[in-house]
Amino acid sequence: AQSVTQLDSHVSVSEGTPVLLRCNYSSSYSPSLFWYVQHPNKGLQLLLKYTSAATLVKGINGFEAEFKKSETSFHLTKPSAHMSDAAEYFCVVSKRDDKIIFGKGTRLHILP
Amino acid sequence: SQTIHQWPATLVQPVGSPLSLECTVEGTSNPNLYWYRQAAGRGLQLLFYSVGIGQISSEVPQNLSASRPQDRQFILSSKKLLLSDSGFYLCAWRRKKDSSRYNEQFFGPGTRLTVL
Repeated sequence: AQSVTQLDSHVSVSEGTPVLLRCNYSSSYSPSLFWYVQHPNKGLQLLLKYTSAATLVKGINGFEAEFKKSETSFHLTKPSAHMSDAAEYFCVVSKRDDKIIFGKGTRLHILP
Repeated sequence: SQTIHQWPATLVQPVGSPLSLECTVEGTSNPNLYWYRQAAGRGLQLLFYSVGIGQISSEVPQNLSASRPQDRQFILSSKKLLLSDSGFYLCAWRRKKDSSRYNEQFFGPGTRLTVL
């Protein structure tokens, strides 16, 4: 079975400090992985995706994620948080049969 | 470029009333289409998905239904709303191609439904 686990439901960081949002997956084959961001009362926007081309994936707004097969992880990072990064973030895995599985989400709070 | 529209943006309905939410996609053809719901404090729940006109798969049994009368139109309906139907409804589309599992979804702006 394939699943995705976001390890923190809430993360708080100060503005200007690094961001780390954790995601672990389980898969019997090389997965397709995505990170989406959702601002309040808005739709989801793609930040980045992993499709087996490169293990370090750069996305929009300074975010990046590293695929680590040995750790079955796809953590999202940003060197310096900005107030506008306050939102909910979803880690998503796409299965071989095209089914899509969402993590439960991590709400990122940015402290001034 | 592709765009996805949802309407209405917000809706307040009494319990027992009918519902119709509409989603349309522009700039692409033969997409996979999805309806999701977000209840307060919960993640995304897949309600329906469609791979083509008239082809609807239901993920969760409930009093909602979906239809796809045209290639780029996806409608979510209910004959009688329940309080538990309140939430944020999101429509999404996704390209089909050989390695479609690598394709991301594109989400609409959502509809906030409040059932009173």
